[in-house]
Amino acid sequence: DSGVTQTPKHLITATGQRVTLRCSPRSGDLSVYWYQQSLDQGLQFLIQYYNGEERAKGNILERFSAQQFPDLHSELNLSSLELGDSALYFCASSARLAGGGPKEETQYFGPGTRLLVL
Amino acid sequence: GQSLEQPSEVTAVEGAIVQINCTYQTSGFYGLSWYQQHDGGAPTFLSYNALDGLEETGRFSSFLSRSDSYGYLLLQELQMKDSASYFCAVNQAGTALIFGKGTTLSVSS
Repeated sequence: DSGVTQTPKHLITATGQRVTLRCSPRSGDLSVYWYQQSLDQGLQFLIQYYNGEERAKGNILERFSAQQFPDLHSELNLSSLELGDSALYFCASSARLAGGGPKEETQYFGPGTRLLVL
Repeated sequence: GQSLEQPSEVTAVEGAIVQINCTYQTSGFYGLSWYQQHDGGAPTFLSYNALDGLEETGRFSSFLSRSDSYGYLLLQELQMKDSASYFCAVNQAGTALIFGKGTTLSVSS
């Protein structure tokens, strides 16, 4: 158990709909990352938040957005869903940004949310 | 652009040693991490190299050569439970991991 929690575990929805995925980082971790894993694309970085502020963006579609709240939990919002958005969505957390040793930068992954768009 | 290359599949038998190579081309390189992922599960951290050389953690070792943009994960005394996907990932300073596409390791008896 990494200490990172994600809800829901599974989500089935229809094209055009909007869903919200939730992540609670490990206690004390300030940095949250969202990744998408699909069969043909591997693990793709979507977006990173650090202590409530957006820190970095990866291959995140404009239909997707995220935020990190004062209690450090994060939500990933996916809208106008398409069949191709079906994937595993992982949240990861780390204690801090680079500048410390590798322990502080190790990313711990949650169990993921499996999204199926029909 | 940024890219990481690793073999897509490796097979081995119990008790054997296997090496999974990773070459990378990225900007802002800070270190190389290795993650293990069992089918449908979360990636879990295995090792991290920031400096050239070998890091050993039990049956697993990881190596980095920054000048060659190359690293590998060495798994010794393979067990059936080691069957999983293994990802190399580049740590870029202060930001997310860039993952390779993963190597599926199948261990047979």
